[in-house]
Amino acid sequence: AQSVTQLGSHVSVSEGALVLLRCNYSSSVPPYLFWYVQYPNQGLQLLLKYTSAATLVKGINGFEAEFKKSETSFHLTKPSAHMSDAAEYFCAVSVNTGNQFYFGTGTSLTVIP
Amino acid sequence: EAGVTQSPTHLIKTRGQQVTLRCSPISGHTSVYWYQQALGLGLQFLLWYDEGEERNRGNFPPRFSGRQFPNYSSELNVNALELEDSALYLCASSPLGGEWPNTEAFFGQGTRLTVV
Repeated sequence: AQSVTQLGSHVSVSEGALVLLRCNYSSSVPPYLFWYVQYPNQGLQLLLKYTSAATLVKGINGFEAEFKKSETSFHLTKPSAHMSDAAEYFCAVSVNTGNQFYFGTGTSLTVIP
Repeated sequence: EAGVTQSPTHLIKTRGQQVTLRCSPISGHTSVYWYQQALGLGLQFLLWYDEGEERNRGNFPPRFSGRQFPNYSSELNVNALELEDSALYLCASSPLGGEWPNTEAFFGQGTRLTVV
């Protein structure tokens, strides 16, 4: 079975500070991992994905995530937060059967000016 | 290029009623997914359709059903609505065809369903 745990339903950072959003996964088979962002009243937009290539994945808007198998983690980071980064972020895991994403419960990021 | 479109954007229904939500995928995409985003529960997988057939189903009761039409658009039907069905229903599409997961799923803006 696959699942995702996002630690911290709400994260606040100052503008210019490091953004760190945590995601731990559980999977019985090698996983594919994703980060999606949801801006208010919008659908989900893919930030980045890990598909068993490089363990450090770079995405859009300056975000990146590192796959750590030993820690079963896929944390999302950005060196310097921008006001426009305020949104809901979802980590998701999938395996190559059923084409089904398992999403975490999301982390709401607030950026303080 | 138009993205995934969903209609209606908002809907209010009474408990016990039935509702139909609609989704038009991106042109060329054959797979459509439905997710429920209830408050505090994150996104829960409902259904996956590809080439007109239901390929996978999440852990939801049978009163949640759907279909995919020859033009790849899709409907989600919910019968006997309950208060806990109040949620944002998201549709996504992808050009899958054995390329999972190297193809991206694109999400629509969702339909906000409120059951009173």
